[in-house]
Amino acid sequence: AQKVTQAQTEISVVEKEDVTLDCVYETRDTTYYLFWYKQPPSGELVFLIRRNSFDEQNEISGRYSWNFQKSTSSFNFTITASQVVDSAVYFCALSHEGYTDKLIFGTGTRLQVFP
Amino acid sequence: EAGVTQFPSHSVIEKGQTVTLRCDPISGHDNLYWYRRVMGKEIKFLLHFVKESKQDESGMPNNRFLAERTGGTYSTLKVQPAELEDSGVYFCASSSSRDRVADTQYFGPGTRLTVL
Repeated sequence: AQKVTQAQTEISVVEKEDVTLDCVYETRDTTYYLFWYKQPPSGELVFLIRRNSFDEQNEISGRYSWNFQKSTSSFNFTITASQVVDSAVYFCALSHEGYTDKLIFGTGTRLQVFP
Repeated sequence: EAGVTQFPSHSVIEKGQTVTLRCDPISGHDNLYWYRRVMGKEIKFLLHFVKESKQDESGMPNNRFLAERTGGTYSTLKVQPAELEDSGVYFCASSSSRDRVADTQYFGPGTRLTVL
């Protein structure tokens, strides 16, 4: 079965706090890709990161960082020193090579950052 | 470079009516996808075009939904007749062509469909 679980439905933090969004995935394939997308209040889905299954290096982009651990099938996303503009729904997604590379999404985590 | 565009942004129709959603992918992207998010649930795949051909339509809910991609450019998704459960946000995404590699999909702003 291929599945993405985002157990945190909603998280509220105060500005400047660090926050981690959890993502756990299930797949039987050895080659797969993981993504994070951000959906701000305006509604569009904004691509944040794409990671393939052979690259377990953590990645940092400004205040954003991602921790990929195959041993626990997790691809967690941390925002350091959160800001009000980070308020959005964040989706984790999984896809595979092959016949179709459709994205399998989690249910999303709504992050609210209060001033 | 223009992103993925979708039209209309919102549509409110009555049950039984027909609605057509349009998606213009990023120029040069051979892959075009449709997804849908019903209120509070996950975003679900509907179908995937490679150029003008349907590569995978396993997510289409039923035969009231018809997707086309004329000439491998823009795509339309028609719902006829619309039912209450079709309400949701319909997203379109596109990606460049790489043989069997899951390239990054870039999404449009979505069309919010409300069926009354």
